[in-house]
Amino acid sequence: DAGITQSPRHKVTETGTPVTLRCHQTENHRYMYWYRQDPGHGLRLIHYSYGVKDTDKGEVSDGYSVSRSKTEDFLLTLESATSSQTSVYFCAISAMSTGYGTEAFFGQGTRLTVV
Amino acid sequence: GESVGLHLPTLSVQEGDNSIINCAYSNSASDYFIWYKQESGKGPQFIIDIRSNMDKRQGQRVTVLLNKTVKHLSLQIAATQPGDSAVYFCAEVMTGANSKLTFGKGITLSVRP
Repeated sequence: DAGITQSPRHKVTETGTPVTLRCHQTENHRYMYWYRQDPGHGLRLIHYSYGVKDTDKGEVSDGYSVSRSKTEDFLLTLESATSSQTSVYFCAISAMSTGYGTEAFFGQGTRLTVV
Repeated sequence: GESVGLHLPTLSVQEGDNSIINCAYSNSASDYFIWYKQESGKGPQFIIDIRSNMDKRQGQRVTVLLNKTVKHLSLQIAATQPGDSAVYFCAEVMTGANSKLTFGKGITLSVRP
């Protein structure tokens, strides 16, 4: 398995509290992505990173922020959690280059429940 | 928890038949198109990709076809097996820039024994 770890795997939090999810990789891949997955919506991109301190918004970025201070870690923060952010969150990593191909490796997911 | 395939379109096929899963993509500038498979309780797994300058690519038991004229991508699975039952996603990316990887909504493949 590709070296990618998400933590925590499960979390229940209260509305209005801040939450940080961590994605850690040991593959030294340049690209890292955060997605959320909800029934009927597939995988929706929240934020992604194309290098240390280089990040950009995806299609559902409102209410989320990210940071990447080193290659191996990509943090997703919900500044003030809402019930609409209850979801399964996936992190993915990829070399994403013509030479290495486009394969992205996914973590096992974090199930977040906001009550 | 809820199945990842809940509320998604479903394709039901008989074991041993060929499956064809279709996808419409949106960005003409994407240079790679990719198929992923997701089994219940797991993260998506890469199946095969195709570069935008190709119209067909074959893998082991799978073939991907790309029609750029109508922005259509398909995944053909030969001799479908019970283990192929999963949710399938198409994805697209424009490499070399920020490499934003985006996914379609997904289709559930159900294999009848």
